[in-house]
Amino acid sequence: GAGVSQSPSNKVTEKGKDVELRCDPISGHTALYWYRQSLGQGLEFLIYFQGNSAPDKSGLPSDRFSAERTGGSVSTLTIQRTQQEDSAVYLCASSFPTGGIIYGYTFGSGTRLTVV
Amino acid sequence: GENVEQHPSTLSVQEGDSAVIKCTYSDSASNYFPWYKQELGKGPQLIIDIRSNVGEKKDQRIAVTLNKTAKHFSLHITETQPEDSAVYFCAHGGGGNKLTFGTGTQLKVEL
Repeated sequence: GAGVSQSPSNKVTEKGKDVELRCDPISGHTALYWYRQSLGQGLEFLIYFQGNSAPDKSGLPSDRFSAERTGGSVSTLTIQRTQQEDSAVYLCASSFPTGGIIYGYTFGSGTRLTVV
Repeated sequence: GENVEQHPSTLSVQEGDSAVIKCTYSDSASNYFPWYKQELGKGPQLIIDIRSNVGEKKDQRIAVTLNKTAKHFSLHITETQPEDSAVYFCAHGGGGNKLTFGTGTQLKVEL
């Protein structure tokens, strides 16, 4: 597609429920990233996928968080047993690093998650 | 480490004045330095970037300068306009394909 698409744009869930957030990156972009942005805060790295390599999961805050990327395209971020501190905007981005050279990300508009 | 400090956290300027935001990093392997603008309710948007083989880059009213020796880089916005009001994030990367972001600067351009 023309840009990075995220769904849903807003999600309200009850504490303890599981949620799935979806990201559809720009076609052809081999790298996909998930970041979390709490109210008024910066961007916290969660996880990074690059081609067929093992994902960099070093930013996941707990084992309740997981993500997968199927077929090198769409990614799903899953949060199990949600807690109120999980409330944030979850941003997805994609890029096309070439020959070991990093390039800027294109971000989606994010999913605003509210845990009540 | 990969930390990046960004200052100031908030900046208020009069329309037409210049705005400067500064970032300091510590990772010597970093060679790519983008700046993002985030408007309310939207994702961050890349506005300008610079690589370590140059010291300055300009695009109309915005410019970025890099001092690799001192490990700091800055965003300069001239002739500010109300539509420049947003949150600005610096970032750096290059040791891998992952960017590390600053904590953001809330810029307000007042009429």
